[in-house]
Amino acid sequence: SYELAQPPSVSVSPGQTASITCSGEKLGGKYACWYQQKSGQSPVLLISQDTKRPSGIPERFSGSNSGNTATLTISGAQPMDEAVYYCQAWDSGIVIFGGGTKLTVL
Amino acid sequence: EVQLVESGGGLVQPGRSLRLSCAASGFTFDDHGMHWVRQAPGKGLEWVSGISWNGGSVGYADSVKGRFTISRDNTKNALYLQMNSLRDEDTALYYCAKAQGMLVNPTAHDGLDVWGQGTTVTVSS
Repeated sequence: SYELAQPPSVSVSPGQTASITCSGEKLGGKYACWYQQKSGQSPVLLISQDTKRPSGIPERFSGSNSGNTATLTISGAQPMDEAVYYCQAWDSGIVIFGGGTKLTVL
Repeated sequence: EVQLVESGGGLVQPGRSLRLSCAASGFTFDDHGMHWVRQAPGKGLEWVSGISWNGGSVGYADSVKGRFTISRDNTKNALYLQMNSLRDEDTALYYCAKAQGMLVNPTAHDGLDVWGQGTTVTVSS
């Protein structure tokens, strides 16, 4: 079965750029999505189809996908960005989530 | 306002059944695929099942295949998940989520852009 791998944790200083990776076999040939889940809240879609930001998502969130790796980039990270981030892709009509990455902003 | 409200969760013994419901409002329900995603306590997101806009195509995670059945009633703007033969490992917060697109098949590639608050299922004797 298809798997998506994420680092368990990433740390970033306020105002700096954070990159969260998501690895899967030939992931670049699929579309990747990214979600943010803050403590005690439901997930929020940040990025769809590799690079598209839904309405209301700040421009500091961006995505890319090539080869075996999709990347979520947070430019100018803010304390409010502290959350768990999940990547997601489709494989043969099945939705796959990565294990999640805890982003710490300090 | 686009909204999804789940209900039907609770405490159930192993081997028993439970039916979850999700009431949708604020969007054209039959223009979108719908999904159930669960999250065990302290764990990550796990996709459970999805259904296309007209119910013609469904998908299941291997962990629930043969035990869970997803369905929808477009006349009631409602999504359902029938859960049979429940196991301890099915204990989780179950989210209903709206897909950006209509399909649940190998051509699907969209994200889940609206999520409910979830309903808790606890399987324990």
